Amino acid sequence: KAGVTQTPRYLIKTRGQQVTLSCSPISGHRSVSWYQQTPGQGLQFLFEYFSETQRNKGNFPGRFSGRQFSNSRSEMNVSTLELGDSALYLCASSFQGGQPQHFGDGTRLSIL
Amino acid sequence: EDKVVQSPLSLVVHEGDTVTLNCSYEVTNFRSLLWYKQEKKAPTFLFMLTSSGIEKKSGRLSSILDKKELFSILNITATQTGDSAVYLCAVLANAGGTSYGKLTFGQGTILTVHP
Repeated sequence: KAGVTQTPRYLIKTRGQQVTLSCSPISGHRSVSWYQQTPGQGLQFLFEYFSETQRNKGNFPGRFSGRQFSNSRSEMNVSTLELGDSALYLCASSFQGGQPQHFGDGTRLSIL
Repeated sequence: EDKVVQSPLSLVVHEGDTVTLNCSYEVTNFRSLLWYKQEKKAPTFLFMLTSSGIEKKSGRLSSILDKKELFSILNITATQTGDSAVYLCAVLANAGGTSYGKLTFGQGTILTVHP
């Protein structure tokens, strides 16, 4: 069974641009969560989607947004990029909330 | 605010040693505690603990949860160089309604196993 797939693997952007990251969950999984990982802050929760609805959101500015499609695939968008947005963005899926989350390899975003 | 604290932050041992990693938490609406192993890429799921006192075991790894004292330990016996990784503890909390998807992570313990 294929794991969680995130694309692209690497991205380089400049300040002020916007970016869209994609996540395809494990087949049959309906819950998708996004996390930001940095050396200083560790892994921090961004948001959770279930059945195309955002169920929960972490403490990130409104520049961070996401959505989930009817096939459970999810996208995350960051607008007006700042240097501090440089991080590894991880997506995790589970069959439903409350089940173990399985992570993708992440998208490494670098802001110049 | 939900909080998860791991100790030690780093640990260096030799092959064959036994290690114990600690995780304490203060979380509203606790659902379960999870352990992950992260090498270069994605965190890999190890255990999910929901009930106190029940040990979960997988090979040389085992873990137990104490919901009264709000902590968990992860034990690794007969360590091998392949156990070198960052071990992450995370707590799954109910964030309202039917949402159980919010994981709060600790800082991680960096384990280095020398041959």
